[in-house]
Amino acid sequence: AQSVTQLGSHVSVSEGALVLLRCNYSSSVPPYLFWYVQYPNQGLQLLLKYTSAATLVKGINGFEAEFKKSETSFHLTKPSAHMSDAAEYFCAVSPRGATGANNLFFGTGTRLTVIP
Amino acid sequence: GAVVSQHPSRVICKSGTSVKIECRSLDFQATTMFWYRQFPKQSLMLMATSNEGSKATYEQGVEKDKFLINHASLTLSTLTVTSAHPEDSSFYICSAPRTGPTDTQYFGPGTRLTVL
Repeated sequence: AQSVTQLGSHVSVSEGALVLLRCNYSSSVPPYLFWYVQYPNQGLQLLLKYTSAATLVKGINGFEAEFKKSETSFHLTKPSAHMSDAAEYFCAVSPRGATGANNLFFGTGTRLTVIP
Repeated sequence: GAVVSQHPSRVICKSGTSVKIECRSLDFQATTMFWYRQFPKQSLMLMATSNEGSKATYEQGVEKDKFLINHASLTLSTLTVTSAHPEDSSFYICSAPRTGPTDTQYFGPGTRLTVL
């Protein structure tokens, strides 16, 4: 079975500070991993995805994530937080590891607050 | 880019009534669509996989007679919450995978259902 664990349900950072959102995965086979962002009362928007190519994945809005097999992690980072980054962030895994087109299993989410 | 729409965005209904939610892929065909449910401040939970031309596949614990899914065409899936009760109040989100060079799931904006 595949799953992801997001450490920290709430993260607060000052505007301009580093953003680090943690995600660890559990998988018996190399997984496909995703980060999604959800703004209030909206659906999910894909930030980035790891599909077994480069381990450092760059996404939209200045976010990036690094796949570390030895640590079973896929943490999301951004060098400098903007107020507009305040949202809920979800890490997800594709159970079949084949494509992002399969159903996803989500972590519990991390709410990012950016302090002016 | 690919767009998935949902209608309605918000619905309020009385207990005992049925509510239909539509999910449409606007610029691509989707033989499979997924329906998720999200409780306040929680993650998305997969409810069922909608399959065009065949029966939906429901996740364990989801009542198929309660949540009727019909994948009428390659661009439309509907979720009907039958005999709705207050505990069915939730945020329902659909997604549709677009296969190709960059296999990605696209999420609808969600439908907030409130049952009085």
